[in-house]
Amino acid sequence: EVQLVESGGGLVQPGGSLRLSCAASGFTFSRYSMNWVRQAPGKGLEWVSYISSSSRTIYYADSVKGRFTISRDNAKNSLYLQMNSLRDEDTAVYYCARLTVTFQFDYWGQGTLVTVSS
Amino acid sequence: DIQMTQSPSALSASVGDRVTITCQASQDISNYLNWYQQKPGKAPNLLIYDASNLETGVPSRFSGSGSGTDFTFTISSLQPEDIATYYCQQYDNLPYTFGQGTKLEIK
Repeated sequence: EVQLVESGGGLVQPGGSLRLSCAASGFTFSRYSMNWVRQAPGKGLEWVSYISSSSRTIYYADSVKGRFTISRDNAKNSLYLQMNSLRDEDTAVYYCARLTVTFQFDYWGQGTLVTVSS
Repeated sequence: DIQMTQSPSALSASVGDRVTITCQASQDISNYLNWYQQKPGKAPNLLIYDASNLETGVPSRFSGSGSGTDFTFTISSLQPEDIATYYCQQYDNLPYTFGQGTKLEIK
């Protein structure tokens, strides 16, 4: 069974940093590109970042470019999101999501809540 | 960025009703469109891919159609368990963008 489990969320002050993790199991992690998608409270879905299976290709939404860094460790079946210079508007539930070769987010984690507030 | 506009934003319907949601892209995206269902407090769940293909295990009362800029998502006979928010999402170009969502309620 495919499982994605996020961790690392919490309360952080504006300007602070946080590192999210996503532990994958039940599939060959190294064969799939992975993404982070977030959802602000009561709002819709916003794609945040993409990383290819080999880490060779990385993309970011303009809203996080220069502040967030996506990475992965295929040996540990883990995906990460390093978030620096956090802003109030980064407050959201952050989901990791697997992307198929035909570009569907077919599996999602349960999400981890990041709250940026003083 | 490609803007995805869903309508309506909210919809109230009765069990057994046919429900239709539309999604319009700001430019031609061919059939590069997915539909997701999100129940309260849960992660989104893929229902339809490539505009009209039903994901494995998804009930056949769900369907999708369209290409280019105009797309439609239909529930042929609304069931109580279909109460959720539905999102379209394009993957023609990065950044991947979602519609604002359609919240479906039972009348």
